[in-house]
Amino acid sequence: EAGVAQSPRYKIIEKRQSVAFWCNPISGHATLYWYQQILGQGPKLLIQFQNNGVVDDSQLPKDRFSAERLKGVDSTLKIQPAKLEDSAVYLCASSLDGGGPGPQFFGPGTRLTVL
Amino acid sequence: EDKVVQSPLSLVVHEGDTVTLNCSYEVTNFRSLLWYKQEKKAPTFLFMLTSSGIEKKSGRLSSILDKKELSSILNITATQTGDSAIYLCAVEKYPDNYGQNFVFGPGTRLSVLP
Repeated sequence: EAGVAQSPRYKIIEKRQSVAFWCNPISGHATLYWYQQILGQGPKLLIQFQNNGVVDDSQLPKDRFSAERLKGVDSTLKIQPAKLEDSAVYLCASSLDGGGPGPQFFGPGTRLTVL
Repeated sequence: EDKVVQSPLSLVVHEGDTVTLNCSYEVTNFRSLLWYKQEKKAPTFLFMLTSSGIEKKSGRLSSILDKKELSSILNITATQTGDSAIYLCAVEKYPDNYGQNFVFGPGTRLSVLP
């Protein structure tokens, strides 16, 4: 079974530039998550999709961050414009959500450096 | 506010030692508790503990859930340098509407010296 795919793996940009990340979840997984993980901290949920609908985006800085999952499969997360404090690893995860408890599985992440 | 706390935040041991990592939580509508190992970037799933499965074991790793104390421990016996990683504890909540909902702790950084 293929895992969660993410690209790019690394990205370096200057502040005020734009950047986009892509995620393809495990096949059949209804729920997709984007997390931001700053060095030394646990992952912080940015946005959660159930199929192509947003379940939770309460911690997404909507003035600069946006995300979509148009066909209920892969997803993109965009930052425009980037700030220095956006430097972090951006993790995508997916879960089956088969009606019972179950783990989420993570992609390799994208390390973003904003200069 | 939902909260997951882990201790210690950092730990240095020598190969062969046994370590115990702690996780405590305050969340509404607890569903399950999960442990992940994060070596480079992506956390990898270790265990899931629920009311119907409060103890799990895999090789040198084992974990117990104490629902009364709202906590869990992760034990690693005979540690090896390959166990060096950040160990994340996450709690899954029953969602308000639908889908699954997870709250992560800050992680424990374990360093195993040869």
